[in-house]
Amino acid sequence: AQSVTQPDIHITVSEGASLELRCNYSYGATPYLFWYVQSPGQGLQLLLKYFSGDTLVQGIKGFEAEFKRSQSSFNLRKPSVHWSDAAEYFCAVGADSGNTGKLIFGQGTTLQVKP
Amino acid sequence: GAVVSQHPSRVICKSGTSVKIECRSLDFQATTMFWYRQFPKKSLMLMATSNEGSKATYEQGVEKDKFLINHASLTLSTLTVTSAHPEDSSFYICSMTTGRGYNEQFFGPGTRLTVL
Repeated sequence: AQSVTQPDIHITVSEGASLELRCNYSYGATPYLFWYVQSPGQGLQLLLKYFSGDTLVQGIKGFEAEFKRSQSSFNLRKPSVHWSDAAEYFCAVGADSGNTGKLIFGQGTTLQVKP
Repeated sequence: GAVVSQHPSRVICKSGTSVKIECRSLDFQATTMFWYRQFPKKSLMLMATSNEGSKATYEQGVEKDKFLINHASLTLSTLTVTSAHPEDSSFYICSMTTGRGYNEQFFGPGTRLTVL
């Protein structure tokens, strides 16, 4: 069955430092992959997605992610973190290859940004 | 961008009562709607999916008689937690998409349910 693992429950980085959030998935075929961000009081917001093509995906707010099939990973990166990036980050994979649109989410990574 | 609202944002109820949570798309028509449950420091667990004109499809282990989902219109979905018990206390989140497949899901801000 499909699954998503985010190995880091909590990460703290200094403002201005680079960031990498890890995501590993388990899926037999080419996966549909997503990164969402959840801020308090707001709904989850899509940062970026990968369906096919270029394995380096650019998203909103300066985020990017790289799909590595050999490592079953889809890590999220940002070169310079801002205090406003503090939030909960979720990696998700499409539950199937069909048209259900169902997503399987990882456990989430809480990002804390130090001034 | 597309906006999804949920009402109420917080609700406290007594054990045995029923609670209805509304999820509305404010500026688009949704083809597919999803309801999730999120436990503290945990992932989002999909409860059910509903498509326009169809009954909700529940995930394995989700009691359809306890969690009643109504895809009332292209802009409104409701989740009713019937005969709520303390173990139903959780954060409930809805999302909507404008098409089939893996289109972007637009999420509501969530509803915190506390059952005393």
